[in-house]
Amino acid sequence: QSVLTQPASVSAAPGQKVTISCSGDTSNIGMNWVAWYQQVPGTGPKLLIYDSNERPSGIPDRFSGSKSGTSATLGITGLQSGDEADYYCGSWDNVRDSYVFGSGTKVTVL
Amino acid sequence: QVQLQESGPGLVKSSGTLSLTCSVFGGSINSYYWSWFRQSPGKGLEWIGYVYYRGTTKYNPSLKSRVTVSVDTSKNQFFLNLTSVTAADTAVYSCARYNPNMVSFDYWGQGALVTVSS
Repeated sequence: QSVLTQPASVSAAPGQKVTISCSGDTSNIGMNWVAWYQQVPGTGPKLLIYDSNERPSGIPDRFSGSKSGTSATLGITGLQSGDEADYYCGSWDNVRDSYVFGSGTKVTVL
Repeated sequence: QVQLQESGPGLVKSSGTLSLTCSVFGGSINSYYWSWFRQSPGKGLEWIGYVYYRGTTKYNPSLKSRVTVSVDTSKNQFFLNLTSVTAADTAVYSCARYNPNMVSFDYWGQGALVTVSS
């Protein structure tokens, strides 16, 4: 039901890398910047990436973002137990005239 | 460090009005845009709308007929009113700051559960 499509879950061992994809279309990702948010259950989302590939102050460089066409990707390297959370992509949608999100991806550290 | 805190009734009767307040601490509400979201298991994260500190608003078209977002700069607070609620409006409601320089929402509250009862 979400406008942007993400995998439901990804997992990897501590120290490894995971990537999370976010697929949209020309009305959202294809025309606008992408942001990524991290949400630990019971807390509000936290901004990880803005302008598709920029990190806010205080976000470690283990987190990276990229965008190509109508898709975006979040990468997390050096996976830590504290990275276990739900991750959402978001973007403005020019047709829906709204800010839209992905369905969320649960990251599990094995 | 900017912090946001939602407050308001956790239970609202069906057909009534849901009203929430977001208090902003550690920074002025003057400048930036101030937004509301909701999150439910069936619908994921949904943007409701935002208000600019000068009062200009923008709403999600799917909720526009029932939503009002307003601001009181003297109290460093902004507000959400959602009318004619049904069980489908049961969700965790969160407030956040929209930063147009980052085209994203850079500070969020922890969220408040609102249940609509019949």
